[in-house]
Amino acid sequence: GDSVTQMEGPVTLSEEAFLTINCTYTATGYPSLFWYVQYPGEGLQLLLKATKADDKGSNKGFEATYRKETTSFHLEKGSVQVSDSAVYFCALRDNNNDMRFGAGTRLTVKP
Amino acid sequence: ETGVTQTPRHLVMGMTNKKSLKCEQHLGHNAMYWYKQSAKKPLELMFVYNFKEQTENNSVPSRFSPECPNSSHLFLHLHTLQPEDSALYLCASSQDWGARGYGYTFGSGTRLTVV
Repeated sequence: GDSVTQMEGPVTLSEEAFLTINCTYTATGYPSLFWYVQYPGEGLQLLLKATKADDKGSNKGFEATYRKETTSFHLEKGSVQVSDSAVYFCALRDNNNDMRFGAGTRLTVKP
Repeated sequence: ETGVTQTPRHLVMGMTNKKSLKCEQHLGHNAMYWYKQSAKKPLELMFVYNFKEQTENNSVPSRFSPECPNSSHLFLHLHTLQPEDSALYLCASSQDWGARGYGYTFGSGTRLTVV
């Protein structure tokens, strides 16, 4: 079935460092792709999305590009802040309309 | 109140108790979902409702019983749970189940502990 694989964490960065969290997917059709963020003690929040190949989703300084040729949707941010510390989930919405999530990557940003 | 609201935020229950989790959304969404989030495991989709009709039940044990009286409210009735059912239970909603370009809006979850 369709699935998402994201890099294992945890990831620890210093403030203002560049962030990349890798995400690759396996899908039979043309899924929509998403990144969600979960802050401690909270539910998931939609961070950004892309619905077709070459689309770039962006929000709050984060961005990810839907790459069909490499089946990837890597999350990037040029300069992370302490407040970005959270767990990040890559997800796809498949032909069956279900949202399938990756295992999550914990990011800790140190001052 | 906007967004997805879940109550209670925390629940401790014995294995013989019966309790219910409540989820409410005022976003005008037509699909609602229950997910289970356990430590060290991916999110598990439990139930899907679209326009109040259940469209998915992912082999969830019968000790979990969902109810969706209308598109704005979703309940999860719990009875005779096991300690391994302790987890964060997340409710989510979306425009409708078939709209693949839309993401989900999640509630803050109910942290359930079964003793």
